[in-house]
Amino acid sequence: ETGVTQTPRHLVMGMTNKKSLKCEQHLGHNAMYWYKQSAKKPLELMFVYSLEERVENNSVPSRFSPECPNSSHLFLHLHTLQPEDSALYLCASSQDGGGGYEQYFGPGTRLTVT
Amino acid sequence: RKEVEQDPGPFNVPEGATVAFNCTYSNSASQSFFWYRQDCRKEPKLLMSVYSSGNEDGRFTAQLNRASQYISLLIRDSKLSDSATYLCVVNGGDDKIIFGKGTRLHILP
Repeated sequence: ETGVTQTPRHLVMGMTNKKSLKCEQHLGHNAMYWYKQSAKKPLELMFVYSLEERVENNSVPSRFSPECPNSSHLFLHLHTLQPEDSALYLCASSQDGGGGYEQYFGPGTRLTVT
Repeated sequence: RKEVEQDPGPFNVPEGATVAFNCTYSNSASQSFFWYRQDCRKEPKLLMSVYSSGNEDGRFTAQLNRASQYISLLIRDSKLSDSATYLCVVNGGDDKIIFGKGTRLHILP
């Protein structure tokens, strides 16, 4: 399935590095999301964009910086991360950001911070 | 009460059996409900939406009980391939989307 794609699939970075995660959706949706999934924890919503405007930021540390240049692309810029930021980062999209529509997830980026 | 609560399991069920699990939610204004399935080290995938009138898709049946504020998922004639974690998702009534922690299901041969 290629509805929502994410790159890279795996990333190892040091605490002083800067990297970016990329997400692209081919479904014509208007809303995109970033989630974090740590081992044995539920999905944590990080950011929601609806029509390229950020509508929700669940108190995420500033070392995570999202960017949504258009409704099909979403980035998560990472800098000076901590080891506890190691997790699976999932991107999702839905028809709109109101919560009434199902979300389609990308395969995720498995991030390891050393 | 937690916003969305699920029994983490694991549920160990023999192949061919019927299994059901529930998910409770705290916000009575919630309007949208979904079940997702997540395989180990993979992304969640939509299994089915849960409508007020219930929803059935093959061996899977989802129900909504607004009075008691829970949704349920029933799997009949379980297959080995049904082994996964099942995530309950609720629109929190304020357009906030909340995922449950998931229920792990193991189908035993």
